[in-house]
Amino acid sequence: SQQGEEDPQALSIQEGENATMNCSYKTSINNLQWYRQNSGRGLVHLILIRSNEREKHSGRLRVTLDTSKKSSSLLITASRAADTASYFCATVGATNKLIFGTGTLLAVQP
Amino acid sequence: DTEVTQTPKHLVMGMTNKKSLKCEQHMGHRAMYWYKQKAKKPPELMFVYSYEKLSINESVPSRFSPECPNSSLLNLHLHALQPEDSALYLCASSPLGSGYNEQFFGPGTRLTVL
Repeated sequence: SQQGEEDPQALSIQEGENATMNCSYKTSINNLQWYRQNSGRGLVHLILIRSNEREKHSGRLRVTLDTSKKSSSLLITASRAADTASYFCATVGATNKLIFGTGTLLAVQP
Repeated sequence: DTEVTQTPKHLVMGMTNKKSLKCEQHMGHRAMYWYKQKAKKPPELMFVYSYEKLSINESVPSRFSPECPNSSLLNLHLHALQPEDSALYLCASSPLGSGYNEQFFGPGTRLTVL
């Protein structure tokens, strides 16, 4: 059962540019998380934002959450080639299950 | 030790074989998870163990049988699989028996069913 839709599906940028990914979801949430997955490997947790928070920062990452619009965005500033990966938003609601969005494939060209 | 390990990394099996996937964590986490991920798709939850008890089964076919021998180990027993079961199988753990915390993922087992 897929909760989130991510936009864009794929994004290609140059090193040093900023990358923005958007996530929309359907039902109320307790928190929203962002994960990164390098090609065919395990996922790495990036950041968790709770439903009563609007913005959170971690290093070069900035996440916003708008519960009225049921949407979130992930901004990666000053991107590097090593940021090339798939990025997934994932929501946790009343079922306590982590439900992933469709993902954005980010390619950072050196 | 802050990682989740999974063995084997790759597994090829026939439809009549019986095999097992293994997952281990030594972070003291009390919730462990199995996910299935098909190519170019997001991970899909299969099972959740909370305090060593099965708490969620997402209507997974009985040819997949999970087992949690202790708080550090999680197994997934496979029997009579179909070619469409070929996927990346991910194990994860989290500190508490709920979805309110981040999950720590293993590198996955890439399963091919012939």
